[in-house]
Amino acid sequence: QQQVKQSPQSLIVQKGGISIINCAYENTAFDYFPWYQQFPGKGPALLIAIRPDVSEKKEGRFTISFNKSAKQFSLHIMDSQPGDSATYFCAASTDSWGKLQFGAGTQVVVTP
Amino acid sequence: DAGVTQSPTHLIKTRGQQVTLRCSPKSGHDTVSWYQQALGQGPQFIFQYYEEEERQRGNFPDRFSGHQFPNYSSELNVNALLLGDSALYLCASSLVLGLGTDTQYFGPGTRLTVL
Repeated sequence: QQQVKQSPQSLIVQKGGISIINCAYENTAFDYFPWYQQFPGKGPALLIAIRPDVSEKKEGRFTISFNKSAKQFSLHIMDSQPGDSATYFCAASTDSWGKLQFGAGTQVVVTP
Repeated sequence: DAGVTQSPTHLIKTRGQQVTLRCSPKSGHDTVSWYQQALGQGPQFIFQYYEEEERQRGNFPDRFSGHQFPNYSSELNVNALLLGDSALYLCASSLVLGLGTDTQYFGPGTRLTVL
C-alpha cells in the first residue's frame, strides 16, 4: 500500500520552463516532507524539505507548496535547466530522521 | 567532511547465496537506515539502527538482517537470495536530535544482481 502518491510519472519541459510535480498522502501523522533528486546510478540527494506549519518554502529555483487540509504538496522547479534532468522523489515521515515513505518518482527531462 | 559511503559498489550473487553490504554514516551521524530501490521505483524502507539496536523495520522478511557497530557503521545481511532481491541498496544516515532539524543523507548505493 503506497502511502505517498506521486504524479506525473514523467514530464518533458523546455529549458527555462517550469516543472511541477505533485504528491498526496493519507497519514496525518506525517510531519516532514522532503524532496530528493536522483541521477542514474547515484543515491538520492536532498533538494528541499518542508514541515506542515508552513505553506511554502523556496530555495533557489526550487519551491515546495504545501496544502495541509488537502494533504498534498508539490515541487516547482523554476527556470528548468538541462542539468535538472533527473528523477525526483517526494517523501514523507513522522520525523526528519525516521522512516521515509517515498513516492514512485517522476522522471524529468529538460530539453535544450 | 565525508558523506555516507557504501561498499561494495556492485555485487553479483546467485540464488540461495548470502550477501553482506556495508555502510559508513556521515561524520557526526548516529543513525543508519537501509532502503531497497528496485529499478524504476522509489526506495523502500528496510530497517533503521540507532544505538546498535533495530529501531524500526519495514515490510521485509527475516532474511534481511542488520547490525550497527559502536562506531555507528552498519551492515545489511541478506540470506537465501532470491532473484527479486536484485536492486540498488541504499544506506542513509541521520542524527537524532531533539530539535528535529536534521535529515537523512543517502550514500551512492550498492547494486546487487542475483542470477
